[in-house]
Amino acid sequence: GESVGLHLPTLSVQEGDNSIINCAYSNSASDYFIWYKQESGKGPQFIIDIRSNMDKRQGQRVTVLLNKTVKHLSLQIAATQPGDSAVYFCAENAGGTSYGKLTFGQGTILTVHP
Amino acid sequence: GAGVSQSPSNKVTEKGKDVELRCDPISGHTALYWYRQSLGQGLEFLIYFQGNSAPDKSGLPSDRFSAERTGGSVSTLTIQRTQQEDSAVYLCASSRQGAFTEAFFGQGTRLTVV
Repeated sequence: GESVGLHLPTLSVQEGDNSIINCAYSNSASDYFIWYKQESGKGPQFIIDIRSNMDKRQGQRVTVLLNKTVKHLSLQIAATQPGDSAVYFCAENAGGTSYGKLTFGQGTILTVHP
Repeated sequence: GAGVSQSPSNKVTEKGKDVELRCDPISGHTALYWYRQSLGQGLEFLIYFQGNSAPDKSGLPSDRFSAERTGGSVSTLTIQRTQQEDSAVYLCASSRQGAFTEAFFGQGTRLTVV
């Protein structure tokens, strides 16, 4: 069945570095892709999303890149800060009859060292 | 309230007992979602409510699980005859109509079945 997974389970960076978190997906029908940040003891927090008709979208200090050819999604965080330390999940949605139903990846733990 | 509120925050129950988990969505949000997160795992879709439409129950793992949403606002997730494998964090989220990628999550209910 469809699945969304992450290449790296953990990522450690120094404060001020740029971080790149990767995600592979298998459902070619996916239309929406979303990144969430989850801090310990909290629910996931929306970061940024992108539709399948786009290949790049920028937010505040974050950029999401979508490569449909290889079914790859990435989240780039510029000038990473200790407050960025969290688990990052990618999620996808196929739209249509699956509207509202997100399939999440397993997550990447990002640790930012001061 | 300002965010999605879930209660209780923690619940310990004996195997075989029934439990009810409550979710108060953000005021005005017509869409409501339930997800389950097992330790160290991504989120697993359970059920999705949108306005007065029939809910998408495709993620409910067994007929022991049910959910309702009264008056288009508060939702209750009920698990009957709980099993140890039901132990997880149950997360509720809500969103504006048509904005499911920007769902706001509650902090979850940590369910432990002993």
